[in-house]
Amino acid sequence: DTGVSQNPRHKITKRGQNVTFRCDPISEHNRLYWYRQTLGQGPEFLTYFQNEAQLEKSRLLSDRFSAERPKGSFSTLEIQRTEQGDSAMYLCASSSYGQGSRGYGYTFGSGTRLTVV
Amino acid sequence: ELKVEQNPLFLSMQEGKNYTIYCNYSTTSDRLYWYRQDPGKSLESLFVLLSNGAVKQEGRLMASLDTKARLSTLHITAAVHDLSATYFCAVDAGRTSGSRLTFGEGTQLTVNP
Repeated sequence: DTGVSQNPRHKITKRGQNVTFRCDPISEHNRLYWYRQTLGQGPEFLTYFQNEAQLEKSRLLSDRFSAERPKGSFSTLEIQRTEQGDSAMYLCASSSYGQGSRGYGYTFGSGTRLTVV
Repeated sequence: ELKVEQNPLFLSMQEGKNYTIYCNYSTTSDRLYWYRQDPGKSLESLFVLLSNGAVKQEGRLMASLDTKARLSTLHITAAVHDLSATYFCAVDAGRTSGSRLTFGEGTQLTVNP
């Protein structure tokens, strides 16, 4: 396993366009998280999934944002009608949770840097 | 709502010196994490602290956890330039906060020759 993979690494888009990011977690991890990080700040929680179920969404996640994890494996994060304020690094992380879970760690991907012009 | 505060936010130190970064959090926590982030890069896991009194060391970095005081420290010994980065603490409050990480604002460390 090569860790958490995110694509694309960079995305430049015009204001008002829709964008979609993909995250492939570590295969044996059942939880998947999305965070957003703006320059000079710590990552902020957006949403997370356990298997295919979306268990929590932050108030930061406006109705222009939607996330899916249809088969409990990879996840997508879509932003509709992008705004300049959406420019940030979008980080995905995965973890193993529940009975039989050996670890306590969260593994982060390399992130997708979004620039809205 | 869980709050995590780090101080200092900016730290400039000379090579060879020692310093401590502090991380305070507002509610009971199951676990505390320390991460390193280089500019434009993702988060690299440094330590996971699981219980009161836990202490972990790796090279010139040592992290500790006092759950009663809701305080973690990251101590840097004899700093070298390669340690220049931003350091984040993050708290997993388990059932209290839905078992996900809440991050501090980060401490930007610069080690000068």
